[in-house]
Amino acid sequence: EAGVTQFPSHSVIEKGQTVTLRCDPISGHDNLYWYRRVMGKEIKFLLHFVKESKQDESGMPNNRFLAERTGGTYSTLKVQPAELEDSGVYFCASSGEATQETQYFGPGTRLLVL
Amino acid sequence: QKEVEQDPGPLSVPEGAIVSLNCTYSNSAFQYFMWYRQYSRKGPELLMYTYSSGNKEDGRFTAQVDKSSKYISLFIRDSQPSDSATYLCAAIKAAGNKLTFGGGTRVLVKP
Repeated sequence: EAGVTQFPSHSVIEKGQTVTLRCDPISGHDNLYWYRRVMGKEIKFLLHFVKESKQDESGMPNNRFLAERTGGTYSTLKVQPAELEDSGVYFCASSGEATQETQYFGPGTRLLVL
Repeated sequence: QKEVEQDPGPLSVPEGAIVSLNCTYSNSAFQYFMWYRQYSRKGPELLMYTYSSGNKEDGRFTAQVDKSSKYISLFIRDSQPSDSATYLCAAIKAAGNKLTFGGGTRVLVKP
């Protein structure tokens, strides 16, 4: 069974540009989460989808971040326009319908904003 | 105050030794407690989780939770060089959706 996949693995952009990250969850997992780790800090929750619906976006830092999950399959996280403080590692995780405590993580996308 | 605190290490042990890792937490609402292992430039890998207080064993790994003292532990027996990684503890509320992580402890097992 394939795990959570993320694309791209790395992205280097300039301040003010737009970047879109993609996450493909484990097949059949209704729950999809985005987390972020900025330099020197712990991994922090950004938002949670149940199928195509945003269940909780309390961790989104500001309105420059837009997450979508059309069709309830893969998800995208767009940062527009990117700022220096957006640099970090963005992780996606997924879990089954009734098992939110067992979240399986992808390899992450390393974003560097110059 | 961070909700989950973890000593960053590094923790260096000789091969075969027992690795002892721990975290403390402050939110009494946390009910599930997880340990993740993360190799360099990889994503966190779920090792095991426990519900409420108690012990759980899986091979060389034992997780303990003491809710009265808000203390989470992970023990790795017969440590191997391949156990060298960063270990992250995390917690979640019952019926919750967001994991709250500690900062991670770097472990180095020397051959």
